[in-house]
Formats: sequence, C-alpha cells, structure tokens
Amino acid sequence: KAGVTQTPRYLIKTRGQQVTLSCSPISGHRSVSWYQQTPGQGLQFLFEYFSETQRNKGNFPGRFSGRQFSNSRSEMNVSTLELGDSALYLCASSLAPHTGGLRYEQYFGPGTRLTVT
Amino acid sequence: GDSVTQMEGPVTLSEEAFLTINCTYTATGYPSLFWYVQYPGEGLQLLLKATKADDKGSNKGFEATYRKETTSFHLEKGSVQVSDSAVYFCALGAGNTPLVFGKGTRLSVIA
Repeated sequence: KAGVTQTPRYLIKTRGQQVTLSCSPISGHRSVSWYQQTPGQGLQFLFEYFSETQRNKGNFPGRFSGRQFSNSRSEMNVSTLELGDSALYLCASSLAPHTGGLRYEQYFGPGTRLTVT
Repeated sequence: GDSVTQMEGPVTLSEEAFLTINCTYTATGYPSLFWYVQYPGEGLQLLLKATKADDKGSNKGFEATYRKETTSFHLEKGSVQVSDSAVYFCALGAGNTPLVFGKGTRLSVIA
C-alpha cells in the first residue's frame, strides 16, 4: 500500500507570493492533518480535515488555509508569504479522526520543505 | 493547555550504549502517549504508544511506560545502534484535540 505522498518535496518562494502544497493520503484514509515543523517551534498543528470539512484548526493566521477534496486529497495554501513561513510542512493521514478515547494511528508523509527568501 | 516537555538534545552515544530520553506531560483527563521517530529526510513514524496508566509500549527494542503518578513517558533502549540515529518526538493525544508534540530530541549514535 502506498504511503502518504506530498508534492512538491521542495519549494523556494519569495516574500509576498503564495504557495499551494498537496497531500495524497493512504488509500482508504479519510482524515488528513497538516503540521508545520520548524527548529524553533517544533511541530505545530495547522488543521485537520475529514469528509471535506475542517474539524480542527491550530493557532495560525488566516493566511494559512486548506481544503479537502471528495477523494480525501488535501491542499494547503499560504498567501502573502513571510520569511517566518520557511518550514517543513508535514501531512498526516488516518482512517478517521480521533473521537473521544479512540485514536487512529496517523501516518506521516515526507513533507514539503518551503523556503521563503 | 496540554503540553509535552522532553529533554533537549542533541544526545550522542556510542553503539551498544543505553538510551533514555525523558518526556513529561501536562494534560487534563487521560491522554494517550506516543513516541514518534523522524529519520533524515523523512516524515514521522509512530514508534510506540500507550493508552492508559502503567501500559508499556514497545517496538524495535524501544520501550516506554505510561507513568501517571509522575506524568512521564520516558523512552529507553538497552543497546542503541548507528541506525537508531534520528530525531525522537514525544506526543500526547487527549479527547478530540490534535496531537501535541514535544520539541524533539536528536540522537546521534557513533560506531
């Protein structure tokens, strides 16, 4: 079974531009979460999608947005890029979202390394 | 809010040495606890987990015990290998909230 795939793997953008990152979950997985990883802040949760609906959102400005399609693939968009947005963006998929005491394992993709200059 | 604190790295060990990476947590309720590993250039992989107090998670020679009384979930391995060099993340999941990760501990094992 193929793992979580993320495209592109590397991206260089200029301040003020916008960027779209893509994530294809494992076949059959319907929940997708996005994280930002930086050396200073570690792993921070961005958002979670299930059945094309955003279930949870982290503490990020409105410049960060996402969506999920009917085939469970997900995209995230960052508008008006800032230098501080340089990070590794990780996508994780699971069979379903966590509900109460039941947590499905999250499988992570290799990430997209975004550099903003 | 919920939080995870793990020992700062980097940790450098010789092959076959004993490994401990400390992790403590703060959470309301009864979280599940996880250790993830990230090898260079890759995403995170679940290493082990424990869902209730006194549970021991184990995988690939790594172990961690969920200690409610000390709010800890320390990662241990009796004999590390060069191939264990990676960044290790402690994480907790409680209720309907997303996973909360520690800052990560980089482990380097030298032959």
